[in-house]
Amino acid sequence: DAKTTQPTSMDCAEGRAANLPCNHSTISGNEYVYWYRQIHSQGPQYIIHGLKNNETNEMASLIITEDRKSSTLILPHATLRDTAVYYCIVRVARNTPLVFGKGTRLSVIA
Amino acid sequence: GAVVSQHPSRVICKSGTSVKIECRSLDFQATTMFWYRQFPKKSLMLMATSNEGSKATYEQGVEKDKFLINHASLTLSTLTVTSAHPEDSSFYICSARDRRLAGTDTQYFGPGTRLTVL
Repeated sequence: DAKTTQPTSMDCAEGRAANLPCNHSTISGNEYVYWYRQIHSQGPQYIIHGLKNNETNEMASLIITEDRKSSTLILPHATLRDTAVYYCIVRVARNTPLVFGKGTRLSVIA
Repeated sequence: GAVVSQHPSRVICKSGTSVKIECRSLDFQATTMFWYRQFPKKSLMLMATSNEGSKATYEQGVEKDKFLINHASLTLSTLTVTSAHPEDSSFYICSARDRRLAGTDTQYFGPGTRLTVL
């Protein structure tokens, strides 16, 4: 699976949009981009995933660049409960388990 | 999303004893489950892949005789930490693969089990 690069940490003001970047320049054509988050002392929570089109669900939006070498997870109105470590993972669907990197620690500040 | 449960949520045991952790997929059948462990302030580390009705596949460096995995049904996988030692103290998290949605393959995680070995 392709490697991903994320900033170590980010801050976001409560109520503002949180934009979390992820670089995956070695992604191959059949690899999906998955986003999970882990709130302290809990199991990871699935957020969203995509292949090449932008995706949106009730939690977030995923913007994937046209060349697929990077993506951005957008939390439109961050709340204090969105404080967590966010993981961007690239993998081929149906074949391999998720392999976690270090992720981005997002702190939402009141 | 799909629901995965773990039991117990936390356990404290004496060194040398064995501890069993259960992982259940509550609203879907999971032919494949995964076990991870996480040390404080570290990321999740994959330990093994558990396949229903067959032997688990362990990651390099994970002792299969120490971490026994059984996946006897489509909704239950168990991890038994045998002869536990203090260095086995960690946060153990299971995950199940949900393939109900065509064209996708999403893993859902349990809430984790915190093991403390005295």
